[in-house]
Amino acid sequence: ILNVEQSPQSLHVQEGDSTNFTCSFPSSNFYALHWYRWETAKSPEALFVMTLNGDEKKKGRISATLNTKEGYSYLYIKGSQPEDSATYLCAFTAGNNRKLIWGLGTSLAVNP
Amino acid sequence: DVKVTQSSRYLVKRTGEKVFLECVQDMDHENMFWYRQDPGLGLRLIYFSYDVKMKEKGDIPEGYSVSREKKERFSLILESASTNQTSMYLCASGTGPMNTEAFFGQGTRLTVV
Repeated sequence: ILNVEQSPQSLHVQEGDSTNFTCSFPSSNFYALHWYRWETAKSPEALFVMTLNGDEKKKGRISATLNTKEGYSYLYIKGSQPEDSATYLCAFTAGNNRKLIWGLGTSLAVNP
Repeated sequence: DVKVTQSSRYLVKRTGEKVFLECVQDMDHENMFWYRQDPGLGLRLIYFSYDVKMKEKGDIPEGYSVSREKKERFSLILESASTNQTSMYLCASGTGPMNTEAFFGQGTRLTVV
């Protein structure tokens, strides 16, 4: 059974804090790792898709790293803002079977 | 602007009714997915399709069927709605084996009474 685990389950930070969370996935038969942001009352939106061990991607204050050998990815948010409040989901694709296997997400609340 | 559109935002149906949830995408994506999202359970895949007239069961297909007669449209059918199918339903589309960037619809909150 392929499992994706995210930690922590939820996080409360103050505006301006930097934060990070983890996604763990099976290291065998890796194909791609995805990060999504899901704001309340909106649809999930893609942040990053990563495929190569050691990949680092950045979008504004958000960045992500990938370690396929040990099966984890980190998402970092620098200088959190209230508009960063959302659930951050990661999803894993194994082989090329096109299915995304989702974690339960990390719920981030940024207090002004 | 890319779009995945679900036919209804909110829906209330009676137990035993046949329910159709429609999803249309305008990006010519070959892959389309139906998920349901319940508190504490995350996104669970019901069915997906990566070509017209093709469908594959996801993790929780029982009680559901799907139809993909045209590339842009993927319908989820609840054959006989039950109260345990009350949930948020999300449609998504993507392209290629990696689903490089999957796009989601706005979701349909279905309540079965």
